[in-house]
Amino acid sequence: DIQMTQSPSSLSASIGDRVTITCRASQSISNCLNWYEQKPGKAPNLLIYAASSLQSGVPSRFSGSGSGTDFTLTISSLQPEDFATYYCQQSYSTPYTFGQGTKLEIK
Amino acid sequence: EVQLVESGGGLVQPGGSLRLSCAASGFTFSPYDMNWVRQAPGKGLEWVSYIISSGSTIYYADSVKGRFTISRDNAKNSLYLQMNSLRAEDTAVYYCARDRSDRYGDYVYNYMDVWGKGTTVTVSS
Repeated sequence: DIQMTQSPSSLSASIGDRVTITCRASQSISNCLNWYEQKPGKAPNLLIYAASSLQSGVPSRFSGSGSGTDFTLTISSLQPEDFATYYCQQSYSTPYTFGQGTKLEIK
Repeated sequence: EVQLVESGGGLVQPGGSLRLSCAASGFTFSPYDMNWVRQAPGKGLEWVSYIISSGSTIYYADSVKGRFTISRDNAKNSLYLQMNSLRAEDTAVYYCARDRSDRYGDYVYNYMDVWGKGTTVTVSS
């Protein structure tokens, strides 16, 4: 199985900050990497697919990059509604696997 | 409105069974592959199972293989998860999620673009 490791596990930041979350795969997964946002008590919401494609309706302050084993999710200017937990997920092969999550908190 | 609504969760004793349903509306269900994903209390997301649009190809996580069965009824716009021999570690919120796939060159990129709100399964005596 492909292991996905996110860093950091938690992050404190302020409104307006630029934030980067990293995801590393245990083997090359090409660009088969997705990012989801989850708020407490809610279902996950797709942000980025195929490593860098912005899902329709997602604000342009979210962006994704990377290929192979190393990927990043960047939020260019944090907004109050962005405080949530973020997960990466590989779709290169089954079993699909998620990172452990990065909890983004208000500083 | 594109929507997935799960049902069938509840409290069940260890060793018991439960059948989850996921009703799709607002889109044509039959062409889409589907997934079940779960989240144990206070934990991260765990993919559980995948079924192709026709139902002819199915995958499971090792943690549920041999105990869970995914199925679908395209005429009823519904996805199912039959869960047998339930264990305490199966306690979780279970989400159904639509699988999208886009082809770029030699690669097919899959992602889960629509999620239900989830149904809670608690396995406890």
